[in-house]
Amino acid sequence: AQSVSQHNHHVILSEAASLELGCNYSYGGTVNLFWYVQYPGQHLQLLLKYFSGDPLVKGIKGFEAEFIKSKFSFNLRKPSVQWSDTAEYFCAAPEAGNQFYFGTGTSLTVIP
Amino acid sequence: GAGVSQTPSNKVTEKGKYVELRCDPISGHTALYWYRQSLGQGPEFLIYFQGTGAADDSGLPNDRFFAVRPEGSVSTLKIQRTERGDSAVYLCASSPQLGTSVEQFFGPGTRLTVL
Repeated sequence: AQSVSQHNHHVILSEAASLELGCNYSYGGTVNLFWYVQYPGQHLQLLLKYFSGDPLVKGIKGFEAEFIKSKFSFNLRKPSVQWSDTAEYFCAAPEAGNQFYFGTGTSLTVIP
Repeated sequence: GAGVSQTPSNKVTEKGKYVELRCDPISGHTALYWYRQSLGQGPEFLIYFQGTGAADDSGLPNDRFFAVRPEGSVSTLKIQRTERGDSAVYLCASSPQLGTSVEQFFGPGTRLTVL
């Protein structure tokens, strides 16, 4: 079965710092990968996704992620974080049968 | 337009009781998913529907859990003989179609507490 690992459980950054959150998946078939974000008091929402083509994917609010097949990774990056980026971030990957698997999440706190 | 809605937002029940959790997906979305999220964890897949049928219920933890979607829209997750370990946030998501590359739209969740 697919499994998704997020190694950073809680990250604290100052505003303008650069961000990189790790995500590794296990399923080696056709890969679709997602990052979802949950802002305080809000629903989970899509940040970006990869399903084919350019391995560098750009999402909303200046986020991007790079799919590296050889490393089974899909790390999330942002060059300069803002206080409003404080949220919980989840990496997700489906199996061929449409079951979606999520990582345990990374809680990001940005200090003004 | 309206997003995915879930009712109730909070449910407190006693061990052994029966509960129903409701999900109203985005209109026109044919795929509907249920997840369970425990404290400090990511959403855990339970079941998904394509239309009225449960396409995959392999994530349901045991036979106390059951879900229906009789008219292909609203879905109800039913939990019999609740246990304290069932306490979690139950999330519903819908998407326009089934597919591993399709975005899912999540509801706010129902927080279930079993005393």
